[in-house]
Amino acid sequence: SAVISQKPSRDICQRGTSLTIQCQVDSQVTMMFWYRQQPGQSLTLIATANQGSEATYESGFVIDKFPISRPNLTFSTLTVSNMSPEDSSIYLCSVELSGNEQFFGPGTRLTVL
Amino acid sequence: GENVEQHPSTLSVQEGDSAVIKCTYSDSASNYFPWYKQELGKGPQLIIDIRSNVGEKKDQRIAVTLNKTAKHFSLHITETQPEDSAVYFCAASEGGSSGSARQLTFGSGTQLTVLP
Repeated sequence: SAVISQKPSRDICQRGTSLTIQCQVDSQVTMMFWYRQQPGQSLTLIATANQGSEATYESGFVIDKFPISRPNLTFSTLTVSNMSPEDSSIYLCSVELSGNEQFFGPGTRLTVL
Repeated sequence: GENVEQHPSTLSVQEGDSAVIKCTYSDSASNYFPWYKQELGKGPQLIIDIRSNVGEKKDQRIAVTLNKTAKHFSLHITETQPEDSAVYFCAASEGGSSGSARQLTFGSGTQLTVLP
């Protein structure tokens, strides 16, 4: 498995502002993913982030709203831009290890007022 | 794309009883099926997975079965304990070689409550 940390663990933000979420893993990984989990709901993939290339976004998610950086094999950031109350969710990063297994970070709980 | 349906949405069992959660998938190309346990305030934890080349896998009190023909797979928890109470998610993906995208499609989740 992998040890994955996220910062911040939670935040309360004002409408119209932006928040950058950091994801750090204790080993080098090729594939990192960002998910959104709305209250009481399942997980929805936002984008796949590979080091050295542009992130690949899923339908319904755009780079202007959720810019992602992947500067090296152990770190990634997700920014939630121009936030609205509808962005209140848990944001999760995950990494893929050998055998397609994905391991998740603890999540960032975002509340937008 | 892949669609994963999960049932039931809530499940309550007495401590010591068994719990079964079922999922169906739509894409016959899917070949990797993990199960996650999510406790309140935490990220999902991988508890067991199965690949399409096997029909059953067991790890202590947890087992998963796969029926490729019917496109369904199930999680079985025996001798349930209060600490098994959590939300459980199934997922499916088309596992591929390194470098290719292998996104997981998740089921809607099952809130399992084990009553002492």
